[in-house]
Amino acid sequence: DTAVSQTPKYLVTQMGNDKSIKCEQNLGHDTMYWYKQDSKKFLKIMFSYNNKELIINETVPNRFSPKSPDKAHLNLHINSLELGDSAVYFCASSPTGPQVQPQHFGDGTRLSIL
Amino acid sequence: GNSVTQMEGPVTLSEEAFLTINCTYTATGYPSLFWYVQYPGEGLQLLLKATKADDKGSNKGFEATYRKETTSFHLEKGSVQVSDSAVYFCALSADYKLSFGAGTTVTVRA
Repeated sequence: DTAVSQTPKYLVTQMGNDKSIKCEQNLGHDTMYWYKQDSKKFLKIMFSYNNKELIINETVPNRFSPKSPDKAHLNLHINSLELGDSAVYFCASSPTGPQVQPQHFGDGTRLSIL
Repeated sequence: GNSVTQMEGPVTLSEEAFLTINCTYTATGYPSLFWYVQYPGEGLQLLLKATKADDKGSNKGFEATYRKETTSFHLEKGSVQVSDSAVYFCALSADYKLSFGAGTTVTVRA
């Protein structure tokens, strides 16, 4: 009964390819996120969706396009992959409410560009 | 803008030693503060949180107190175990997003 699940866990591909990462949460949360963690473990938010609407779009190349078909899913599509895209990508979710709620993270997708 | 600064690692300790990881923040308003832990090969897990000044978050023997006067949220544990080896992230929540510190790698040796 995984709360936030991402697929695939590992993704190895060539420069220039297009790839997608899927994320699903079964917690009933309204808000979902994508983060990028680099080789030095630094975490940076990329996108956030609330009830299928984009609310945060940090400075991310437009080769990255998130899609939220419903509030339980937030997928990440990446076009024309570059070497610098190699990282671990984490999906997360949280409820919304009058107080800030903690986020629940998936186990990550390790993307390696050859 | 909002930012978090935490002490750089790596930190290496012996079992039963005392652990402190310093964390200070810059934020407008009154953010919520969190410590997350990342075990090898896994995602981040919430370790503890505090939502207002003087709140103390605690979990699994770890504690951190929200200090508004010093804008700090230092993490402490009195006696670490090998199983505490992980990367620890301090974070603040504001403007619908989490801002993370750079992470501190902690290794506990038997």
